[in-house]
Amino acid sequence: RKEVEQDPGPFNVPEGATVAFNCTYSNSASQSFFWYRQDCRKEPKLLMSVYSSGNEDGRFTAQLNRASQYISLLIRDSKLSDSATYLCVVNDFGNEKLTFGTGTRLTIIP
Amino acid sequence: DGGITQSPKYLFRKEGQNVTLSCEQNLNHDAMYWYRQDPGQGLRLIYYSQIVNDFQKGDIAEGYSVSREKKESFPLTVTSAQKNPTAFYLCASSIDGGGGQVPDTQYFGPGTRLTVL
Repeated sequence: RKEVEQDPGPFNVPEGATVAFNCTYSNSASQSFFWYRQDCRKEPKLLMSVYSSGNEDGRFTAQLNRASQYISLLIRDSKLSDSATYLCVVNDFGNEKLTFGTGTRLTIIP
Repeated sequence: DGGITQSPKYLFRKEGQNVTLSCEQNLNHDAMYWYRQDPGQGLRLIYYSQIVNDFQKGDIAEGYSVSREKKESFPLTVTSAQKNPTAFYLCASSIDGGGGQVPDTQYFGPGTRLTVL
């Protein structure tokens, strides 16, 4: 089983719709969770950290479910500029290493 | 401007040749990292360095070497021993190497696309 698993997509979603991705992780000791965004042929950039209580940043909401070992990303009122690959990233306590998922590709359709 | 730079953006290499990828940061970050990204795969850690003159192997260090003689610079050499070197190479840095409750955010450079001919 992969340490971090994501549905690769692609997700093709009409502009203005709401879309959600899930990501599962295998290590129950994982402590920190992130979503990164990667545009085509570019470097990943941090979108948001995922906190235990869930957190929201504008149209983006991230949630963590420790019992089921998954994190989610919800994008509301999707824009064309949201088209990208979204990487789920997991880190273990006291460990500088990040483990990246393979990414979920999202395309927003006009 | 502060940030991480990688050069070159595209690199072509003949089989059997060593090649060095440059990574420089002016963010005053202690920690630096090298990742490799292949199509359909997540980023995989090659080497990382938490402090000058010290570095550790990541998950796929075989066929690669690094040095960290200066805080700002963390060059990666892809040697001829690397069996499948064609990939997108990403360098990243963070304030320090973690060890606290929450790891520091890693900031990525624009990457180098290496193609072995």
